[in-house]
Amino acid sequence: GIQVEQSPPDLILQEGANSTLRCNFSDSVNNLQWFHQNPWGQLINLFYIPSGTKQNGRLSATTVATERYSLLYISSSQTTDSGVYFCAMGYSNYQLIWGAGTKLIIKP
Amino acid sequence: EAQVTQNPRYLITVTGKKLTVTCSQNMNHEYMSWYRQDPGLGLRQIYYSMNVEVTDKGDVPEGYKVSRKEKRNFPLILESPSPNQTSLYFCASSNRVYGETQYFGPGTRLLVL
Repeated sequence: GIQVEQSPPDLILQEGANSTLRCNFSDSVNNLQWFHQNPWGQLINLFYIPSGTKQNGRLSATTVATERYSLLYISSSQTTDSGVYFCAMGYSNYQLIWGAGTKLIIKP
Repeated sequence: EAQVTQNPRYLITVTGKKLTVTCSQNMNHEYMSWYRQDPGLGLRQIYYSMNVEVTDKGDVPEGYKVSRKEKRNFPLILESPSPNQTSLYFCASSNRVYGETQYFGPGTRLLVL
């Protein structure tokens, strides 16, 4: 079946550092999304990025569909960036297959 | 305020006792979905609904039922809960699955003894 793999599983950084999170997927991507789950469990959409690059403040994402991967960049990390970052790939017309997530801890 | 609400937020129950987790959205979204989140596995889709009276199975539908009688509500029903359904459950809604922001409820933490 379709697989979505994220790396690294855990990442601990000092405030102000930059980070790159990776998402590999086993099938051709139609729709790729990134999500953030904060330490209190709240989930929010970050990016919808089936291809190309998008930026939103200190966060940016790039998907290279032909090579089946996507990257999420976080620059100048803040403690509020802590949490779990998920990527999810579209499957059929109405389903998402989620990766296991990257747990990010930003230390002050 | 745009939001997805879930109730209850926390629930402890016993094996076999039927329960319902409610989900309601106030954004007139057509698409709604239920996920369960387990440690190390990310989110897995249980059921989804494309519109009123239109539902379909996700990846892990066994032991769950849903209904979509109104656009705003999408309850998750566990007819005979078992301990392996102990999990964190999220409801989500959007106008489309892709290319548009999905709004998530706050989650329901379920423990089945």
